[in-house]
Amino acid sequence: GENVEQHPSTLSVQEGDSAVIKCTYSDSASNYFPWYKQELGKRPQLIIDIRSNVGEKKDQRIAVTLNKTAKHFSLHITETQPEDSAVYFCAASLAGIKAAGNKLTFGGGTRVLVKP
Amino acid sequence: DGGITQSPKYLFRKEGQNVTLSCEQNLNHDAMYWYRQDPGQGLRLIYYSQIVNDFQKGDIAEGYSVSREKKESFPLTVTSAQKNPTAFYLCASSPGPTPGGASIEAFFGQGTRLTVV
Repeated sequence: GENVEQHPSTLSVQEGDSAVIKCTYSDSASNYFPWYKQELGKRPQLIIDIRSNVGEKKDQRIAVTLNKTAKHFSLHITETQPEDSAVYFCAASLAGIKAAGNKLTFGGGTRVLVKP
Repeated sequence: DGGITQSPKYLFRKEGQNVTLSCEQNLNHDAMYWYRQDPGQGLRLIYYSQIVNDFQKGDIAEGYSVSREKKESFPLTVTSAQKNPTAFYLCASSPGPTPGGASIEAFFGQGTRLTVV
C-alpha cells in the first residue's frame, strides 16, 4: 500500500518568513495530493490540492509543487502570519478508481509555529 | 458547522467495554471513512465504506467494527479487543470516485476523543 513520509515534524518560523514542508510517497500510481490544516482542537480542513497532471498550483500565499519522477511534493507558505500556526498534513491517493477506495494516506504531520 | 457530525465529543470507556462512536453526514456523499489520530502522529485509516452495505478494512482495523446501513451514517464500534483505544477519532466523507479522477476532498467531523478509564 501507499506510504507517505512528511518532514519536518516541527517547524518554527519568524512572522513574514516562508515555510516549506516536504512529503514523499511510495506508490507511483497515486494521482491526487491534498494538504490539510488542523488548528488546535479543530477538524482538519483542506487548504490546497494538486493532481498528478499538474506540476505546481498556487492559491494566494500557499503553493504546492509536485515532482512525479521523484515522488515528492511540497507545501510552500509565503509571508507567514500567526494564524498560519497549526498542524499541516499531506496526503496521497489514487483518486477516481473505485477499487482503490479513494483512500487518503496521510503523512505524520508538521507542527508549524509562526513567531510574531 | 454542518455537513458531517460526530458524537459524542468526549467519551470515556471502562476496560472490557465496547463503545460506539456516531458519524452522520448530510452531504449526500457516497464514501465515508474513520481515522485514528494519536498525539503527534498522522491520521491512520481504520475502516472505509464506498457505498451502503459495503465497507473495507483500513490499515489498523483490528479491534474495531463498523456498519453502513444508511448512506448518511457510519458508526464505529471500539471493541474490548482494541488494546490501546485512547485516541482522537475522526470521521470523514467524500463524494467518492468520479470520472477523470477529480479531486476527492474529504470533509471531516469535529472528532471524538476517547479515553479509557
